[in-house]
Amino acid sequence: GQNIDQPTEMTATEGAIVQINCTYQTSGFNGLFWYQQHAGEAPTFLSYNVLDGLEEKGRFSSFLSRSKGYSYLLLKELQMKDSASYLCAVDLGAAGNKLTFGGGTRVLVKP
Amino acid sequence: DAMVIQNPRYQVTQFGKPVTLSCSQTLNHNVMYWYQQKSSQAPKLLFHYYDKDFNNEADTPDNFQSRRPNTSFCFLDIRSPGLGDAAMYLCATSRGFGGGTQETQYFGPGTRLLVL
Repeated sequence: GQNIDQPTEMTATEGAIVQINCTYQTSGFNGLFWYQQHAGEAPTFLSYNVLDGLEEKGRFSSFLSRSKGYSYLLLKELQMKDSASYLCAVDLGAAGNKLTFGGGTRVLVKP
Repeated sequence: DAMVIQNPRYQVTQFGKPVTLSCSQTLNHNVMYWYQQKSSQAPKLLFHYYDKDFNNEADTPDNFQSRRPNTSFCFLDIRSPGLGDAAMYLCATSRGFGGGTQETQYFGPGTRLLVL
């Protein structure tokens, strides 16, 4: 089976930094995606990693270590609108780009 | 500009009454996916189409069927909805080739299904 683990919930203060970890054990690997999902809405793409290292995109950064089966999403200068669920998803590399999602991490940003 | 459109946004059906959810896309993507997402859970892939090729997940119940009459449209048919099928149903698309970020999936707003 495929295992993708994330913490269920995290709380942080506006303006702070939060790091969301994701560990995976999958039958294949062709990259890892992070999506943001606000309550009742569809997931939206945040970042993609396929090589080891850090990808920075404005206030959001994502890191990957393939040898450790580990990724994290770093959210800097937190804003209230960042309160959402963050989904880690692994591209298994099968035909048609099948993604397996982790359970998501709900981030609550407090004033 | 809407890229992946799902109708309706909310659907109420009765136990056992067939229901169809629709998805359309303006991205001309090769691959279309249907996911089921229950409250506070991750999206679960039901099936996907790579062009006209249908790919069913092994654990998708027979109660769920799909049709893709052309590139732009894809339908999810639930033949006999049960109470356990109440969920958000997400449609997504991707290019289907090129690898890397070319494979990013774009999601529609979802249809929330309520079974009475």
